[in-house]
Amino acid sequence: QSALTQPASVSGSPGQSITISCTGSSSDIGGYKYVSWYQQHPGKAPKVMIYDVSNRPSGVSNRFSGSKSGNTASLTISGLQAEDEADYYCSSYTSTSSLVVFGGGTKLTVL
Amino acid sequence: QVQLQESGPGLVKPSQTLSLTCTVSGGSISSSNNCWSWIRQPAGKGLEWIGRIDTSGTTNYNPSLKSRVTISVDTSKNQFSLILSSVTAADTAVYYCARGPRYSGSYGLFDYWGQGTLVTVSS
Repeated sequence: QSALTQPASVSGSPGQSITISCTGSSSDIGGYKYVSWYQQHPGKAPKVMIYDVSNRPSGVSNRFSGSKSGNTASLTISGLQAEDEADYYCSSYTSTSSLVVFGGGTKLTVL
Repeated sequence: QVQLQESGPGLVKPSQTLSLTCTVSGGSISSSNNCWSWIRQPAGKGLEWIGRIDTSGTTNYNPSLKSRVTISVDTSKNQFSLILSSVTAADTAVYYCARGPRYSGSYGLFDYWGQGTLVTVSS
């Protein structure tokens, strides 16, 4: 069982917006601003889409945005495109001895 | 453009030692601004952080694997390595090497990844 909880799947139609949640605790998401989001296409390495809760790396579309409220972080993808269909993982720094925790992943289906 | 490439045996027998190397190109592994991590992913499952090293040689490991893991760096070859001892079938996974920034709280941030290498533990 993963330390961070994500929905197993979400779906949306092209052009719509979707939000993926990632719930942790005060030891990780709730206590720090060190949440990252990764996109992983089948057979490929993950790619960072958001870091430090809401920052986008250079080259990542501004359709991707991140936020946090309490112990839950969220990734929002607006203007869904077919190429957004992938698995998405959240990660966070944790003050426990684990140092890094990942979510179990969410499969995004673009209908 | 920084690139990372994993290499090592794709098949390891149970109870033996898994050894992988990550070769970094397009940048120096000696940069004090970065840390170098190993992450694994069993087929159809999520990501698991194994550990990381910085260029001062400081290591941090996942407590669940700490007793079996060693990560080291060879700056002369621009490489870092993973050793995982006493492997079982549960260690079968795609193993990724990755780079992350070195600042407080950055443990979960990985900005460059290798393509991954499948390691199967089987007799």
